[in-house]
Amino acid sequence: AQRVTQPEKLLSVFKGAPVELKCNYSYSGSPELFWYVQYSRQRLQLLLRHISRESIKGFTADLNKGETSFHLKKPFAQEEDSAMYYCALSGAGGGNKLTFGTGTQLKVEL
Amino acid sequence: GAVVSQHPSWVICKSGTSVKIECRSLDFQATTMFWYRQFPKQSLMLMATSNEGSKATYEQGVEKDKFLINHASLTLSTLTVTSAHPEDSSFYICSAIRSGTYSSEQFFGPGTRLTVL
Repeated sequence: AQRVTQPEKLLSVFKGAPVELKCNYSYSGSPELFWYVQYSRQRLQLLLRHISRESIKGFTADLNKGETSFHLKKPFAQEEDSAMYYCALSGAGGGNKLTFGTGTQLKVEL
Repeated sequence: GAVVSQHPSWVICKSGTSVKIECRSLDFQATTMFWYRQFPKQSLMLMATSNEGSKATYEQGVEKDKFLINHASLTLSTLTVTSAHPEDSSFYICSAIRSGTYSSEQFFGPGTRLTVL
C-alpha cells in the first residue's frame, strides 16, 4: 500500500524566512513524487515533480529514497506563497493514480 | 495551459434524488480522468478512474452503483451520485490526464460542491 504523510497541518513563517514543508512516503517500488499547490479559491495545480528536478517559483524538492522523503523548500518565503500544499505520490504502473497527503497550510506573515 | 472544467460548480438537492456532475477537458483530449472527493479540511481521496470507452475502475470502498461514472467521449466524463443522502455531501473534484511525448500531467477541475438536504 502507498501512503503519503505530511506531519504539519499548518506552517506559519515570516516573510523572508526559509520554508520547509515536510513530506514522507511509503511505497515499495519506485514512486514518482509531486507537490501540488492550491491558492485561495483556486483549483489544485502542479507545482513541481521530482523527475523534472527544477525550481518553480523558488521552490525545490529533492527525493531522498533513503529517508523516503520529498520535502519542499524555499529559501525566502514571500507573501504570495501562502496557500495549501499537497504532496502526492504516483506508483510505477499505477496509471497516473495519485495518492495525496493531508496537506499543509502555509501562512506567510509580514 | 490545459483547462478542465466542471459543471455545476455547486448543487443543492433533496435526499433521494440523483445528481450528475460533468467534467470536461476544454483544450485537450483525455482518455483517462479521475474523480476525487474532498471533505472539509481533509485531503483528496481518489474515488475512481474514468476510462474513455470502457468501465470505470473504482477504489476500494467506493460503491460503483452509487457513484456512476460515464466517459463517453475523449473530453467528457460524468459522475452521477444516485439516491443522494446527506452523507454524500462533499466537494467532488475531477482531473484529466494530458499525455505528452515524454510525460503526462494531471490537470484538475475547480470542483463541485454537493449539498444534500
